[in-house]
Amino acid sequence: EVQLVESGGGLVQPGGSLRLSCAASGFTFSSYAMSWVRQAPGKGLEWVSGISGGGDSTYYANSVKGRFTISRDNSKNTLYLQMNGLRAEDTAVYFCAKDRVTSRPYYFDYWGHGTLVTVSS
Amino acid sequence: EIVLTQSPGTLSLSPGERATLSCRASQSVSSNYLAWYQQKPGQAPRLLISGASSRATGIPDRFSGSGSGTDFTLTISRLEPEDFAVYHCQQYGRSPLSFGGGTKVEIK
Repeated sequence: EVQLVESGGGLVQPGGSLRLSCAASGFTFSSYAMSWVRQAPGKGLEWVSGISGGGDSTYYANSVKGRFTISRDNSKNTLYLQMNGLRAEDTAVYFCAKDRVTSRPYYFDYWGHGTLVTVSS
Repeated sequence: EIVLTQSPGTLSLSPGERATLSCRASQSVSSNYLAWYQQKPGQAPRLLISGASSRATGIPDRFSGSGSGTDFTLTISRLEPEDFAVYHCQQYGRSPLSFGGGTKVEIK
């Protein structure tokens, strides 16, 4: 059974940093690209960042480029999102999502339950 | 960046009725790389449709997707009580990926 479990969310001040993690199990982690997708309270979904199965290619939304860094450790079956320079508009539930292909962000067949990030002073 | 516009914002229907949801793209979606997801309150999205019309594993056949280019439709032929939820479309033909704003299907 595929499982994706996010952690690392919480309350952080504007300008601060946070690192999210997503522990994956139930599939060959390195064979699939992975993404982070967020959802602000009461709003729609927004794709944030993606990474290829091998970790050699990364992709970002314009809204987070230069502030967020996605990475993965295939030996630990874990996906990460380092978030720096956080802003109030980054407040959202962050979902980890498994892609259908190896190479690039595509569409998502499994999702975690999400972790809440709140940026506020 | 491809902008997806979903309409209507809210659809009020009764169980047994047919639901028709629209997703319009600002540019042509290459290879009809368009997916649909269902999301219930407090839950993660669930994949329904990929490639504009291919149902995901375990999705009932009352859900169907159609369309091409810039206009796509998700149809639920007969609404079951468990189908009342928010539906999101997503394009994956061009980076950055993008989602529509969602359509809420509520009980009338």
